Amino acid sequence: AQSVTQLDSHVSVSEGTPVLLRCNYSSSYSPSLFWYVQHPNKGLQLLLKYTSAATLVKGINGFEAEFKKSETSFHLTKPSAHMSDAAEYFCVVSGGGNKLVFGAGTILRVKS
Amino acid sequence: AAGVIQSPRHLIKEKRETATLKCYPIPRHDTVYWYQQGPGQDPQFLISFYEKMQSDKGSIPDRFSAQQFSDYHSELNMSSLELGDSALYFCASSLKADQETQYFGPGTRLLVL
Repeated sequence: AQSVTQLDSHVSVSEGTPVLLRCNYSSSYSPSLFWYVQHPNKGLQLLLKYTSAATLVKGINGFEAEFKKSETSFHLTKPSAHMSDAAEYFCVVSGGGNKLVFGAGTILRVKS
Repeated sequence: AAGVIQSPRHLIKEKRETATLKCYPIPRHDTVYWYQQGPGQDPQFLISFYEKMQSDKGSIPDRFSAQQFSDYHSELNMSSLELGDSALYFCASSLKADQETQYFGPGTRLLVL
């Protein structure tokens, strides 16, 4: 079965500093991986997706993620955090069939 | 661009009542998915439909049922509501040709008292 583990439940950074949200995956085949963001009281927005075309994936709002098969990781990064990035971030793997399997989420706090 | 529409956005019910949640997918999307996100939890897959047929089933209670209509909108029917059903219910839609890329609606927040 496919699963993802988000290594940090909370991450706190200062505005203007880099962001790193860590995700490891487990999959019996080459997975499709996603990052979604959920702002307070809002829906889930797709940030980016990996589907084996390129290991470095660029998403919206300056985020990117790198697929590393040797480390079974798909970490999300951004060079410079903005206050508006404060939200909960979910690492997601395609779970076979057509369902998505979500990680437990990482809450990103951005300090001014 | 048009997004997934869910109604109602908020719903308050009492135990043992019934509730119906509606989802209108992005135009031309033919596949609909339902997820449940409990307080402080990650979203859990409930059920999905393609062309009015159930295509996959997750951890959906027997008290819940869903269907997709000819215009591709979907309804999640919940009966004999329990306190534990209080959650945020997301609908997502996609194209059959790209089922992994799912676009989520804003969710319906259900509170069972």
